[in-house]
Amino acid sequence: GENVEQHPSTLSVQEGDSAVIKCTYSDSASNYFPWYKQELGKRPQLIIDIRSNVGEKKDQRIAVTLNKTAKHFSLHITETQPEDSAVYFCAASREDKIIFGKGTRLHILP
Amino acid sequence: NAGVTQTPKFQVLKTGQSMTLQCAQDMNHNSMYWYRQDPGMGLRLIYYSASEGTTDKGEVPNGYNVSRLNKREFSLRLESAAPSQTSVYFCASGLAGSYEQYFGPGTRLTVT
Repeated sequence: GENVEQHPSTLSVQEGDSAVIKCTYSDSASNYFPWYKQELGKRPQLIIDIRSNVGEKKDQRIAVTLNKTAKHFSLHITETQPEDSAVYFCAASREDKIIFGKGTRLHILP
Repeated sequence: NAGVTQTPKFQVLKTGQSMTLQCAQDMNHNSMYWYRQDPGMGLRLIYYSASEGTTDKGEVPNGYNVSRLNKREFSLRLESAAPSQTSVYFCASGLAGSYEQYFGPGTRLTVT
């Protein structure tokens, strides 16, 4: 079955610096790769997603890249702000099966 | 629109008791999901329903049953609760598997 590995588990960056979170997946048939943000005590919410026919997608300070050959995808957050502090989850999906990574806790340091 | 709603928000059970977690969505989504979230374990899929009348096992289905009552509602039942089922449970819905999922507010369940 699908397996999604996410690294690092914890990441601390200075406010204004960039943050990168990486995920790998095992099932080459996975075709949809969303990223969710979960603030403390809240529900996960989608922040960006990418499909297997696209290599990169940007939305303001957030970007995601996908390397299908290597089966890995990454989340990039530039010019980090205090409100970026949260847990971020990657996921890989095919049809109706979706597997989440274990999450990355991002701390933005003042 | 209320989006995805879950009841109850909190629940404490004794080992061996049963209960049903309720989930409803008003976005006319076909797919619905139940996850559990434990510290350091991310979101693990328990069961999902791709459409009304169908259900399938996810990663961690043991000890749970589900019912897709209609297009709006998807319930999760614990027949005999165990301490290992202490967790936060999230329901989610989406148009289909490869689309954004919308999560409910979660149910915090403690089994003593």
